[in-house]
Order: sequence, then structure tokens, then C-alpha cells
Amino acid sequence: DSGVTQTPKHLITATGQRVTLRCSPRSGDLSVYWYQQSLDQGLQFLIQYYNGEERAKGNILERFSAQQFPDLHSELNLSSLELGDSALYFCASSVSSGYGEQFFGPGTRLTVL
Amino acid sequence: GQQLNQSPQSMFIQEGEDVSMNCTSSSIFNTWLWYKQDPGEGPVLLIALYKAGELTSNGRLTAQFGITRKDSFLNISASIPSDVGIYFCAGQLESGNTPLVFGKGTRLSVIA
Repeated sequence: DSGVTQTPKHLITATGQRVTLRCSPRSGDLSVYWYQQSLDQGLQFLIQYYNGEERAKGNILERFSAQQFPDLHSELNLSSLELGDSALYFCASSVSSGYGEQFFGPGTRLTVL
Repeated sequence: GQQLNQSPQSMFIQEGEDVSMNCTSSSIFNTWLWYKQDPGEGPVLLIALYKAGELTSNGRLTAQFGITRKDSFLNISASIPSDVGIYFCAGQLESGNTPLVFGKGTRLSVIA
């Protein structure tokens, strides 16, 4: 158990809908990262927050947004969902903003029908 | 974006055999991390490396930070069925304060 929690574990929804994925980092970690992993693909970095502020952006679509709250948990919002958004979404956390080890949560499997 | 070339893409080995995989790049890294991912699960950190030339073990796993700082290697000795999974390397660029760069993974299958 990495100490990073993600909810829900599974999510099934329809095209055009909006969903919110939630992540709680390890105790003491200030950075949260979001990744997307499609079938048999590597990890695609989406976005990073550090202590409530956006720190880095990767290949995140405009339909996707995220935020980190004062208690350091983070939410990833996916809107106008398309079939191609079906994937595993992982959250990771680390103590610092850029260096060091990232610890991953168990992921949310999103299926868009 | 930055690329990490991870090889091999996949490998099939007999139980008991040793395994080697590596990651290379044209860029210099100051941190190398190795993760293992089981199907449908999150990647689990296996080994972290912070110095060029560093050799670190975690049970049957040994990883090395290449002396050029552009590569890293992971070896698994005496493989067992539970070693099956996808192994990812990840690196932190020397320029710092940038997201980790991930390799595309090595899929390991162990034949009993």
C-alpha cells in the first residue's frame, strides 16, 4: 500500500458526460501528479499540483482540468467525454515539487460507452 | 518531449533465469526510478537511484545508475512467476523541477 488513495476504483459513463476523479496523497506529500494510461500504453503525464498551485502541465486536453485543495487532496475533472478517454487514470504524490520518488495510487479505471 | 528508450519491449523467460533490462536517453538525469506494474494496478516503486555509478539492490532486484548519467539498468536474478508484470524506468532530468520522464515499459513473462 503506497498510502495514496484514489476513488472511485471503477467508473462507467457515457459519451458527453462529465466525471470527477479524486486523489488523496500520502501523509506529508505536497505534490500530486495525474497520469493517463491507455490500454498497453505507457504513462502519460497530465498535470502536477504542488501545495495547491499548478506546477507543471503535460499532455492534458482542454476538456480536462484539475485542482488541489487546501487539505492537499486533488480532483481531476474530465468533461465532454469521448470513447478515447477510456483509460486508467493514476494519481501519484511526492514530498517535493520536482525531485524524488513518486508514489502511485491504485488508479481509477474509466470506461466511456 | 524528452524520451527514454526502454528495452526490451517484452521478454519471455523461464522460471529461475536472470533478467536484464535498461533505459537510455540522450539527456542527463540526476535520478532514476524503477517501477513494477501488475495488470490493473498502480506502479509500485522498486528502486531509486541518485548518484552516477550507484548500484542498489532490493532483494533479487539490482539497479544501477549509469556513469554517463544517461542510462540505467535493472537486473532480476532467479526469476519467479510473481515477477510477471510491466517494469517502467523513470528519470528526473538534470535541469530539475520537471516532471518525471517515463519509459514505455518492459513486459516480463515468466514461464514456469
